[in-house]
Amino acid sequence: EVQMVESGGGLVQPGGSLRLSCAASGFTFSTYWMSWVRQTPGKGLEWVANIKEDGSDKNYVDSVKGRFTISRDNTKNSVYLQMNSLRADDTAVYHCAREKLFTASALDSWGRGTLVTVSS
Amino acid sequence: DIQMTQSPSSLSASVGDRVTITCQASQDISKYLNWYQQKPGKAPKLLIYDASNLEKGVPSRFSGSGSGTHFTLTIISLQPEDIGTYYCQQYSTFGPGTKVEI
Repeated sequence: EVQMVESGGGLVQPGGSLRLSCAASGFTFSTYWMSWVRQTPGKGLEWVANIKEDGSDKNYVDSVKGRFTISRDNTKNSVYLQMNSLRADDTAVYHCAREKLFTASALDSWGRGTLVTVSS
Repeated sequence: DIQMTQSPSSLSASVGDRVTITCQASQDISKYLNWYQQKPGKAPKLLIYDASNLEKGVPSRFSGSGSGTHFTLTIISLQPEDIGTYYCQQYSTFGPGTKVEI
């Protein structure tokens, strides 16, 4: 069974940092692009970043460029999101998701997410 | 940047009704449009990819169509378990969502 489990969320002060982790299982992790998508409580979805199978290509939404870094470790079947200089508007549930092969970023499996709250 | 709009923002329909949700892109995106269903407290679920391809395991009452800038998601016979919010997505941009109620 394909599964993604996120961890690392929590309460952090504005300007602080957090590192999110996503542990994947049930598929050949090294052959898939992976994404992070966030959802503000009660609101919609926002794509945050994605990373190529081998980590050689990364993309970010403008609002997090220079502050967030996506990475992966294919030996651990894991993808990470390092979040620095956090702001109140980064508060959201962060999901990792797998990009369906041979599609333009259709996300075919999602984790349940981890909540990040940025507040003093 | 490409903008995605959806209409309606919410709808209420009866069991067995045909339901259509529209997604409009601000520029031509060819066939590269995906649809998701999200139920409260759950992660989104992929329903349709590349505008018209039904994801494995998704009931055949769901269908997608369109290309270019105009796309539709149709539920041919609404079921109680179909309540939730539906989102379209083009690469890094999601639409604002359509809430479906019975």
